[in-house]
Amino acid sequence: DVKVTQSSRYLVKRTGEKVFLECVQDMDHENMFWYRQDPGLGLRLIYFSYDVKMKEKGDIPEGYSVSREKKERFSLILESASTNQTSMYLCASSSPSGASSSGNTIYFGEGSWLTVV
Amino acid sequence: SQKIEQNSEALNIQEGKTATLTCNYTNYSPAYLQWYRQDPGRGPVFLLLIRENEKEKRKERLKVTFDTTLKQSLFHITASQPADSATYLCALDITGGGNKLTFGTGTQLKVEL
Repeated sequence: DVKVTQSSRYLVKRTGEKVFLECVQDMDHENMFWYRQDPGLGLRLIYFSYDVKMKEKGDIPEGYSVSREKKERFSLILESASTNQTSMYLCASSSPSGASSSGNTIYFGEGSWLTVV
Repeated sequence: SQKIEQNSEALNIQEGKTATLTCNYTNYSPAYLQWYRQDPGRGPVFLLLIRENEKEKRKERLKVTFDTTLKQSLFHITASQPADSATYLCALDITGGGNKLTFGTGTQLKVEL
């Protein structure tokens, strides 16, 4: 079974703290993603990576950075957490669309609920 | 700008009926469209993919249609059950590069006994 594992399910952090959200996939996927999900706004892409050490900004990258040192691991970093970053964060992975007949099917982790106080 | 629209109002239906959810998009011609299911507090799970040259796709009680002229996809669940209650999301690759999906906000389905 394919698996995307997010290290923390629930976190509470203080404003100004540096926060690391870790994600590991066991499917040897090239692409990895970080989304945040908020009521009424749906899933919004923060960053994605299509290869080790490669990254591209998504739709809402401000206040975030990412790190991909190994193919299976993709980390989201909040350099200085703020209350408006309270949200559910979802990590995901996929193969490039040409690599399979299923297109760019995305496999998600269970999500990390971050509260910034 | 590109836009993906799903009905934000919850859809309530009776068990055994067919649920139909709508996904509309503008300003883009995707090569394929995907549907996902999301349960409360969980990550979305892939259900079905339909390509631009396919009119219809089926998987067990699920059926998806794709009308590229209307820029619309319909997602049907036949013989619905309470266990089908969830939020359903449609997603498109709006970049054309095949590397990332953009999601609609989802429609919540509630199947009542």
